[in-house]
Amino acid sequence: NAGVTQTPKFRVLKTGQSMTLLCAQDMNHEYMYWYRQDPGMGLRLIHYSVGEGTTAKGEVPDGYNVSRLKKQNFLLGLESAAPSQTSVYFCASSWVHHGLGGYNEQFFGPGTRLTVL
Amino acid sequence: QKEVEQDPGPLSVPEGAIVSLNCTYSNSAFQYFMWYRQYSRKGPELLMYTYSSGNKEDGRFTAQVDKSSKYISLFIRDSQPSDSATYLCAMIVLDTGRRALTFGSGTRLQVQP
Repeated sequence: NAGVTQTPKFRVLKTGQSMTLLCAQDMNHEYMYWYRQDPGMGLRLIHYSVGEGTTAKGEVPDGYNVSRLKKQNFLLGLESAAPSQTSVYFCASSWVHHGLGGYNEQFFGPGTRLTVL
Repeated sequence: QKEVEQDPGPLSVPEGAIVSLNCTYSNSAFQYFMWYRQYSRKGPELLMYTYSSGNKEDGRFTAQVDKSSKYISLFIRDSQPSDSATYLCAMIVLDTGRRALTFGSGTRLQVQP
C-alpha cells in the first residue's frame, strides 16, 4: 500500500496563476483533509471531506477550492495564487468514526511545497 | 489567543537525556490528545494518543494528560539522535462532523550524539 500520496512535491507559481494539488489514498478511507503548515502556526485545516461528493470548509478556506469526485482522491485548487499561499500543504485521510468512544488515526501524505512569487 | 499553545524550541539535549515536551490548551471540549512526530521535509506521523487524564506508556515514550489543568506532556526516555524531529501536539473534539485535528505549532527537538 502506498498510503497517502501527493503530487506534485514542489511547485513555484507566479501571482495570479492557478494550480491543482492532487491527493490520493489507497486505504479506502471515508474522510480526507487538506492542511497547510506555516512556521510558528502549526497545521491549519483548509477544507475537508466526509465522503465522496461532499466537501466542507475548515479554518482557513479563503482562496482555495476542493473537489472529491472519487473516494480515493481529494483535489485542492488555487484559482489565483497569492504570495500568502506560500506554504507546505499536507493531505490526510482517516476512516469514518461513528459516535463517541474512539479515535481513528489520520494518515498524512509527504506534503507539497508551494512557493508563490 | 491560539486554542493550543506549544513552545517552538528548539530544544537541544544530549543523547540519553529525558525529554519533556508540553502543550496547553484552552478548549475544554477536546476529547482526544495526540502527539505526532515530523521529520524534516516529511509528513507528520502519529506517535501516541490518549483519551483520559493520566499516563500512557509506549516503550520509551510516555504521554500524560491533565484535563483539569488543560495541559499535556510527552516524555521521551533515553533519547536517541533518531528522535531528532519536530513534535506536534494535536487535539480533537469528536462530536463534530469534521473530525479535524487542532495542532500546536510544534517543538523542534535535537538530540546530540
